[in-house]
Amino acid sequence: DVKVTQSSRYLVKRTGEKVFLECVQDMDHENMFWYRQDPGLGLRLIYFSYDVKMKEKGDIPEGYSVSREKKERFSLILESASTNQTSMYLCASITQGNEQFFGPGTRLTVL
Amino acid sequence: AQSVAQPEDQVNVAEGNPLTVKCTYSVSGNPYLFWYVQYPNRGLQFLLKYITGDNLVKGSYGFEAEFNKSQTSFHLKKPSALVSDSALYFCAVRDGVNNNDMRFGAGTRLTVKP
Repeated sequence: DVKVTQSSRYLVKRTGEKVFLECVQDMDHENMFWYRQDPGLGLRLIYFSYDVKMKEKGDIPEGYSVSREKKERFSLILESASTNQTSMYLCASITQGNEQFFGPGTRLTVL
Repeated sequence: AQSVAQPEDQVNVAEGNPLTVKCTYSVSGNPYLFWYVQYPNRGLQFLLKYITGDNLVKGSYGFEAEFNKSQTSFHLKKPSALVSDSALYFCAVRDGVNNNDMRFGAGTRLTVKP
């Protein structure tokens, strides 16, 4: 079974802190994604990566950056956390057959 | 970039009745279309996909969806709803030509009442 893991289920940070969200997949998938999920807005794509060191902006990249140094790991970075970045963050990877697998999510609260 | 619209925030049906959750899409290339479900306090789960072939695709838990190219729609259906189908449903689209990213709709909350 494909497994996508995220480093934390719940995280509380203060405004201005630098925040790292880690995601690891164990099936050698090339494409990985970061979304945020907010009520009424669905999943919005922040960034995605189609290969090591390759990244593309999604719909809402402002305030975020990403890192993909190894194929299995895709990190989301909040350079200076703000209260409007309080959200559920979901990481995913996708198979060759176009089936996307999601991690359990990280609920981030920025105070 | 491609996009998805789910026109209904909420769908309510009685148990045993048929259900439909609507989705329309916009994509420049060939559409790859997906439905995912999210149960309370659980992660997103894949339900079904359309890549090519038959317009009617069958997925998990008795769900099916019909791809309609002329109406750019991919509505999710089930002949007989169960209370346990109550969840949040997301439609998603990927461009089959430039198939790197995936876009989701805002979600539709399905409530099935006994």
